[in-house]
Amino acid sequence: AQSVTQLGSHVSVSEGALVLLRCNYSSSVPPYLFWYVQYPNQGLQLLLKYTSAATLVKGINGFEAEFKKSETSFHLTKPSAHMSDAAEYFCAVSKNSGNTPLVFGKGTRLSVIA
Amino acid sequence: ETGVTQTPRHLVMGMTNKKSLKCEQHLGHNAMYWYKQSAKKPLELMFVYNFKEQTENNSVPSRFSPECPNSSHLFLHLHTLQPEDSALYLCASSQDIDRAWEKLFFGSGTQLSVL
Repeated sequence: AQSVTQLGSHVSVSEGALVLLRCNYSSSVPPYLFWYVQYPNQGLQLLLKYTSAATLVKGINGFEAEFKKSETSFHLTKPSAHMSDAAEYFCAVSKNSGNTPLVFGKGTRLSVIA
Repeated sequence: ETGVTQTPRHLVMGMTNKKSLKCEQHLGHNAMYWYKQSAKKPLELMFVYNFKEQTENNSVPSRFSPECPNSSHLFLHLHTLQPEDSALYLCASSQDIDRAWEKLFFGSGTQLSVL
């Protein structure tokens, strides 16, 4: 069975500072990994995904994530936080066969301080 | 706008009421999903429909009853709910279940409060 663990339910950074949101996964088979973002009063939107190609994945809005098999991690980063990045971020995993629903983590709320 | 519309946006109901949540997508997708989002808990997958057939039911209590009359519409019928059922209910769709990994499209959700 697949699962993800997001470390930290709430992360607060200053505007312009590095954003680092942590995600570790557990999977019995090579995984597909995802980050979704949820802005206030909206549904989730795909930020980026890893599907066994390049281990460094670039997404929208300047975010990127690196798949590290040895650490079973897929942490999300952004060099410089903007106020508009304040949202809830969800890490998710599925089997790399693709025909299984995504399993999501608990989410990490990102606050950006001016 | 993701192309997935959920109504109502907010719903307050008593434990003896019967209500329904509606989800509609005009993306030409064939797979639709219900997720439950509760505070401090992982997003919980409730039901999956692929080409109108239910393919997954994650041990959801029978007080939640899904219905998928066609590939564009998904309902969640609610009856005799409990206060712990209060949550944000999210609908999502994908091209089909084999391509859920490409991208899930989510609606904005229905915020349900059970009194």
